[in-house]
Amino acid sequence: GIQVEQSPPDLILQEGANSTLRCNFSDSVNNLQWFHQNPWGQLINLFYIPSGTKQNGRLSATTVATERYSLLYISSSQTTDSGVYFCAVERTAGNKLTFGGGTRVLVKP
Amino acid sequence: DAGVTQSPTHLIKTRGQQVTLRCSPKSGHDTVSWYQQALGQGPQFIFQYYEEEERQRGNFPDRFSGHQFPNYSSELNVNALLLGDSALYLCASSLGTSGWENIQYFGAGTRLSVL
Repeated sequence: GIQVEQSPPDLILQEGANSTLRCNFSDSVNNLQWFHQNPWGQLINLFYIPSGTKQNGRLSATTVATERYSLLYISSSQTTDSGVYFCAVERTAGNKLTFGGGTRVLVKP
Repeated sequence: DAGVTQSPTHLIKTRGQQVTLRCSPKSGHDTVSWYQQALGQGPQFIFQYYEEEERQRGNFPDRFSGHQFPNYSSELNVNALLLGDSALYLCASSLGTSGWENIQYFGAGTRLSVL
């Protein structure tokens, strides 16, 4: 099956700092989603981005499908950005989402 | 517009018992997927239901079974519970089964503890 690797596994930031999270995948995809899992376990949709660039407030994402990676940028981080960020992909002509191991982010005040 | 709802939120069972978890999809969605998330790991795909049929299945034993009803809601059943079944069980719904139609929205999950 498709492999999804996220880096770094852990990230500690000072409030106001910027950061970049990376997701590498091993096959072509027709669905790539970024999620934020809050401390209560709720997975919140951030982006659907199988290719290209999108921005939503302080968050933006870029997927380079030909090189099989995606980046999530967090700018001016806030303590509410703490949690685990997951990348999930659906292989072309597949159905299921395969998740990476996540990046655990802690933003300190 | 109600999102994906799951019940119960927490459940405690003992080894060997059976459990049923329930999920109502987001309004307008007809596809439901189930995931198991062990502590400290990413969610693992169990199966996906569309038009009341199981469309794809992950690497889970037959002890895990499901059902989708005509109103698109779904159940996950786990028989002969093992300690290793303790996890957060997540339900997701989508408009369809592939590509942009498979953008999945998740419920808050059911936390199952097996003692």
